[in-house]
Amino acid sequence: SQQGEEDPQALSIQEGENATMNCSYKTSINNLQWYRQNSGRGLVHLILIRSNEREKHSGRLRVTLDTSKKSSSLLITASRAADTASYFCATPPTGANSKLTFGKGITLSVRP
Amino acid sequence: EAQVTQNPRYLITVTGKKLTVTCSQNMNHEYMSWYRQDPGLGLRQIYYSMNVEVTDKGDVPEGYKVSRKEKRNFPLILESPSPNQTSLYFCASSTRRDSYEQYFGPGTRLTVT
Repeated sequence: SQQGEEDPQALSIQEGENATMNCSYKTSINNLQWYRQNSGRGLVHLILIRSNEREKHSGRLRVTLDTSKKSSSLLITASRAADTASYFCATPPTGANSKLTFGKGITLSVRP
Repeated sequence: EAQVTQNPRYLITVTGKKLTVTCSQNMNHEYMSWYRQDPGLGLRQIYYSMNVEVTDKGDVPEGYKVSRKEKRNFPLILESPSPNQTSLYFCASSTRRDSYEQYFGPGTRLTVT
């Protein structure tokens, strides 16, 4: 079963617009991570937010975490065509659970 | 350069012919895992290893074997491949400290006919 589930499944925006992607999870976490995957390639780690953090920034990326709602959002500001990719959230193992689970991903298309 | 390597990158094989996909990392990571990626199903964990000689099943282990004899290597073995194992496979590694930030290999595209 998958811990993280992203929403929406697909998103198409114009270059320059902001893209917001959401992730919901089911059990308690120590941190939540977002990854990007360019077509057919390995995933690349983007940003990590810890369970005691509410918001984190990295360049044009902004991540929020609401542990009461068990949800996170990834905002990409001023999107570029090069941001076109799939984005995944992931929740690392905690306690006795050693599995790291990924959601199904969000396909972002940025139109030039 | 810190990296995870996989070989081969592309493989076409026939049903029943045993194959091994190698995975190696040079970051001294304890945690390694294998995923398969299929359209509409996202990334699913096949097996993972917390350290040398310690392996465990992920969500879709049927038809696969792994071994972890050395810290850097984590081969994926398909003893008798079947067409439903046609997929894109990724190996990943991380430390077990704190974040489990995953470093992914470039992927192996396997086709079983």
